[in-house]
Amino acid sequence: AQSVTQLDSHVSVSEGTPVLLRCNYSSSYSPSLFWYVQHPNKGLQLLLKYTSAATLVKGINGFEAEFKKSETSFHLTKPSAHMSDAAEYFCVVILEGGADGLTFGKGTHLIIQP
Amino acid sequence: EAGVTQFPSHSVIEKGQTVTLRCDPISGHDNLYWYRRVMGKEIKFLLHFVKESKQDESGMPNNRFLAERTGGTYSTLKVQPAELEDSGVYFCASSHSSRDRGYEQYFGPGTRLTVT
Repeated sequence: AQSVTQLDSHVSVSEGTPVLLRCNYSSSYSPSLFWYVQHPNKGLQLLLKYTSAATLVKGINGFEAEFKKSETSFHLTKPSAHMSDAAEYFCVVILEGGADGLTFGKGTHLIIQP
Repeated sequence: EAGVTQFPSHSVIEKGQTVTLRCDPISGHDNLYWYRRVMGKEIKFLLHFVKESKQDESGMPNNRFLAERTGGTYSTLKVQPAELEDSGVYFCASSHSSRDRGYEQYFGPGTRLTVT
C-alpha cells in the first residue's frame, strides 16, 4: 500500500529563517506527490506537485520540494519564512491502482515566530 | 473565476437528525470529490463523481451517507441519521478532467459538522 508520513505535527520557526517540512512516502512505483496548504478558514490550495519530471519542484510563494527516490522523501522547503506562511501543510500522494481520491498525510502546522 | 463553494460553513445537529451538505464545483469541472477530516485524523477520500456518475465511492463509511450529483453540476452529501462519529470537516473538490488523475483538485473551504 502507498501512503505518506509527515514526520512533524508542528514546526515553529522565526520569521526570516528557513522552513523545512518533512514528508516520506511509501510506494512501489514512481508516485505523483503534492503539497497542499490550508490557511485558517480557507480551502486547501495546491503549493506544488511532482509528476516524474524534474526532481526539484518549485511552487508558489517561494516554496519548493525535492523528490529523492533513494530516501523516499519529498520535503518542502522555503529559504525565508514570512508571517503569512503560518498555516497547515499537507503532503499528498495519488495511489496507483487505488481509490480515485488523494491520500493525505496528517498535516504539519507551521508556526511563525515574529 | 469563482472557486468551489460549500454550504453551510457550519452545522450543529443532534444525533439521529439528518443533514445535507452542498458543494458547487468550479463551472465546467466534470470531476467532483468529497473528503472528510475527523478531528485528529488525516483527510480521507469519500467518493468521486464524473459528471453525474459515481466513479468511485470506496471511501464512503457506511450506508447512512448518500451523495448525489443530479445534472452533473452541484452535489449534495446527506447524512441520515447522523451519529456522533460523523463530526468533522467535510471538504469538496473539483477538477477539470478525469483522464489524468494528476490534474489539480481545487478545494472548497469545507463544512464543519458537529453532531451532539
